[in-house]
Amino acid sequence: DAKTTQPPSMDCAEGRAANLPCNHSTISGNEYVYWYRQIHSQGPQYIIHGLKNNETNEMASLIITEDRKSSTLILPHATLRDTAVYYCIVRSGPYNPGGKLIFGQGTELSVKP
Amino acid sequence: GAVVSQHPSRVICKSGTSVKIECRSLDFQATTMFWYRQFPKQSLMLMATSNEGSKATYEQGVEKDKFLINHASLTLSTLTVTSAHPEDSSFYICSAYPDRDNEQFFGPGTRLTVL
Repeated sequence: DAKTTQPPSMDCAEGRAANLPCNHSTISGNEYVYWYRQIHSQGPQYIIHGLKNNETNEMASLIITEDRKSSTLILPHATLRDTAVYYCIVRSGPYNPGGKLIFGQGTELSVKP
Repeated sequence: GAVVSQHPSRVICKSGTSVKIECRSLDFQATTMFWYRQFPKQSLMLMATSNEGSKATYEQGVEKDKFLINHASLTLSTLTVTSAHPEDSSFYICSAYPDRDNEQFFGPGTRLTVL
């Protein structure tokens, strides 16, 4: 699975959009981009995933560049409860349930009042 | 989404004892479960893949005799930390895939403290 690079930390004002970048320049054609987050002392929570098209769900939007070498997770209206470590992971799948998730260092997002 | 539980949520034990941690998929069956370990201020590290009815697959550097994994049913995997020592103190997290789904759901984690 391709490696990812994320900034170690970011701040965001409450109510503003949080844009979290991720570089995955070695991604291959059958690999998806997944985003998870981990609130302190809890298990990770799935946010969103995509292959090459932009994706949106009730939690966030995922923008993937045309060359697929980078992506951005967007939390449109960040709240204090969005303070967490956000992990960008590249892996084969979906419909490959045996695929492992290898976590990098992630981005620690602090949402401030 | 699917629910994965872990028991206990927190355990304190003496050095040299063994500790068993349970991971259950509550509303789905999972032929594959995963075990992670997380030290303070660090990311999750995959320890092993637990396969129902067969031996677990351990990641490089993880001692299989130290961390015993049993996946006896489609809803339960257990991790036993044998002869625990203070350096085994960590946050242990399991995860699972519903068989026909593509998302990995994580348990709430177990905090192990070895005195």
